[in-house]
Amino acid sequence: QAVVTQEPSLTVSPGGTVTLTCGSSTGPVTSGHYPYWFQQKPGQAPRTLIYDVTIKHSWTPARFSGSLLGGKAALTLSGAQPEDEADYYCLLSYSGGQVFGGGTKLTVL
Amino acid sequence: EVQLVESGGGFVKPGGSLRLSCAASGFTFGNGWMSWVRQAPGKGLEWVGHIRGKRDGGTSDYAAPVKGRFTFSRDDSKSILYLHMSNLRSEDTAVYYCTPSSWPFYFAPWGQGTQVTVSS
Repeated sequence: QAVVTQEPSLTVSPGGTVTLTCGSSTGPVTSGHYPYWFQQKPGQAPRTLIYDVTIKHSWTPARFSGSLLGGKAALTLSGAQPEDEADYYCLLSYSGGQVFGGGTKLTVL
Repeated sequence: EVQLVESGGGFVKPGGSLRLSCAASGFTFGNGWMSWVRQAPGKGLEWVGHIRGKRDGGTSDYAAPVKGRFTFSRDDSKSILYLHMSNLRSEDTAVYYCTPSSWPFYFAPWGQGTQVTVSS
């Protein structure tokens, strides 16, 4: 089974920009992995922010964007807000299933 | 409004069985893929598996840790998804979520989850 890797933790200043990444043990992440990004705040169910690399749900704030960067999937937050402090998970698709990354704890400080 | 309500969680001893339900409303249930995701206490999200919609054959894929022990089924007439769990282990202790994972939902929304605790 593939292993999906994310930064365990990142810190961003209010108003700042930060990029979270999502790598695969099998090689470069491509659009064929259909990367997802999820946000989860304490005590809440996850919320899907982005799917298929770049596509946002209607509720996804414009300050979030998805891309492929250096062989990884990336989630960029531009203009961080205090309410963006949360855990972020990526999900990649492989033949026969999907795998979550371990998550990134994002602190806005 | 699309809604998912999971139920059926509880305490079970190692080796025991449990059946979770996920009642869906607000969308055409039968055509869509449905996924199960779990989260152990203080841990990250873990993909458990998915079941395809009827037009895609209604087959399932499972994560390696649960393959052979967990089975998905669906009653499209009632818009209910089931997760049949057997030979449960302590590491299956988690909150279990269901979510529609194919077009046009793409893992949204999520239910509130149901807690499964496996302990002697």
